[in-house]
Amino acid sequence: GQSLEQPSEVTAVEGAIVQINCTYQTSGFYGLSWYQQHDGGAPTFLSYNGLDGLEETGRFSSFLSRSDSYGYLLLQELQMKDSASYFCAVRRSQAGTALIFGKGTTLSVSS
Amino acid sequence: DVKVTQSSRYLVKRTGEKVFLECVQDMDHENMFWYRQDPGLGLRLIYFSYDVKMKEKGDIPEGYSVSREKKERFSLILESASTNQTSMYLCASSSGMNSPLHFGNGTRLTVT
Repeated sequence: GQSLEQPSEVTAVEGAIVQINCTYQTSGFYGLSWYQQHDGGAPTFLSYNGLDGLEETGRFSSFLSRSDSYGYLLLQELQMKDSASYFCAVRRSQAGTALIFGKGTTLSVSS
Repeated sequence: DVKVTQSSRYLVKRTGEKVFLECVQDMDHENMFWYRQDPGLGLRLIYFSYDVKMKEKGDIPEGYSVSREKKERFSLILESASTNQTSMYLCASSSGMNSPLHFGNGTRLTVT
C-alpha cells in the first residue's frame, strides 16, 4: 500500500521559517506534490518535485530526497495568511493521474 | 484560470435517499476526481475518471458510484445515503500526468 506521514500541527510566529516534513511509502514513486488549504477553502497547488533537490517559488520551497523517501515544504518570512493546512501528495500509480494525500499539517502563525 | 464548480455548497439529506453531487469544469480537462475530506483523515480518493464514460475506483468506493457522460461533468452518486457518508466532498480536475489538481470549493453533505 501507499502511505504518507506528516506532522499534524505546527506553530510559528510571523517572520519565522517553518519546515513541514513528509515521509512516504509507495510501491513506485512518481513525484511529490504540496497543496495548501485555508479554512473553508479549496486545496490549491503549491509545488511539485519529480527529481531530487530543491524547488523554489517565492517564499515557499519544496525539497525531495527519493533515496530517503522524504520531502519537505519550507515556508519563509511567515505571514498570518500562511495559517492553513498543508498536504503532501504522491501519484497513485505510474499510469494514472490520481493523487494520494497525507492527512495534512495545520500551520498556525501568530503575531 | 481553471474553474471547477460544485453544484451545492451545503446539502442535507435523509438516510436512505439517493444523492447526486455534481461537478463541472471549464478547462477541457481529461481527468476528474472525487475526494472526501474528514477531520484527521485528510483527502481520500473515492473515484476518478480519465475520459468520458471511463471510471476507476479509488481507495474508498464502497457506497458510491459515478457518472461521466460529458467531458466537463463528473457526478458522484450515493445510492442510499448513510450517516457515515456525512462529509466534505471535493471534486477536482487535471489536464494530465504530473499536472496539478484544481479543486472545487466542496460540498458539505450532512446525512441525518
